[in-house]
Amino acid sequence: DAGVIQSPRHEVTEMGQEVTLRCKPISGHDYLFWYRQTMMRGLELLIYFNNNVPIDDSGMPEDRFSAKMPNASFSNLKIQPSEPRDSAVYFCASSWAGGRSTEAFFGQGTRLTVV
Amino acid sequence: SQKIEQNSEALNIQEGKTATLTCNYTNYSPAYLQWYRQDPGRGPVFLLLIRENEKEKRKERLKVTFDTTLKQSLFHITASQPADSATYLCALRGDTGRRALTFGSGTRLQVQP
Repeated sequence: DAGVIQSPRHEVTEMGQEVTLRCKPISGHDYLFWYRQTMMRGLELLIYFNNNVPIDDSGMPEDRFSAKMPNASFSNLKIQPSEPRDSAVYFCASSWAGGRSTEAFFGQGTRLTVV
Repeated sequence: SQKIEQNSEALNIQEGKTATLTCNYTNYSPAYLQWYRQDPGRGPVFLLLIRENEKEKRKERLKVTFDTTLKQSLFHITASQPADSATYLCALRGDTGRRALTFGSGTRLQVQP
């Protein structure tokens, strides 16, 4: 398996524009997580899904953020409208409930810059 | 409130020495604790998991201890190499049944040749 795949790797956008980040989890994994990483706040959980259903979105900063998982192979995170303070690296991760270690497998991340 | 604390200052050591990183937590009762490695521009990569009933876990040059009384985990890299230079994060699951991991802020390790 190619691992967790995120796209794009880098995104530069102007304030007020809509941004869509994409994630393909590892095949067979039933949990998917979206994290955001900044120097100030570290790695923060935004939302996670189990079997395509959102379980906990309490980390989503505000209504400008939304995430969907229409099927087991794809999830997206949208920010509309984007603001400069949204600039961060966004990571998607997946894991398998049947795994004893419950480790999370991370993608390479999307570095978002909002100017 | 729940907290996971790691030393935010970088740890600089000489090649061949043992690096020891600390993870302290408050208001958690974790069944297990995980350690990850993160290189610049990449996502975290899982290294080791230690369960609450395990005092120590080893994998090659890595050793992790877990003291649920002190609420602390220590992560050791023996015979350190420059290639071990990276940021190391500890992670816990939060409330019972909540699957997602909460991460510490990480400690950057620099191994000098």
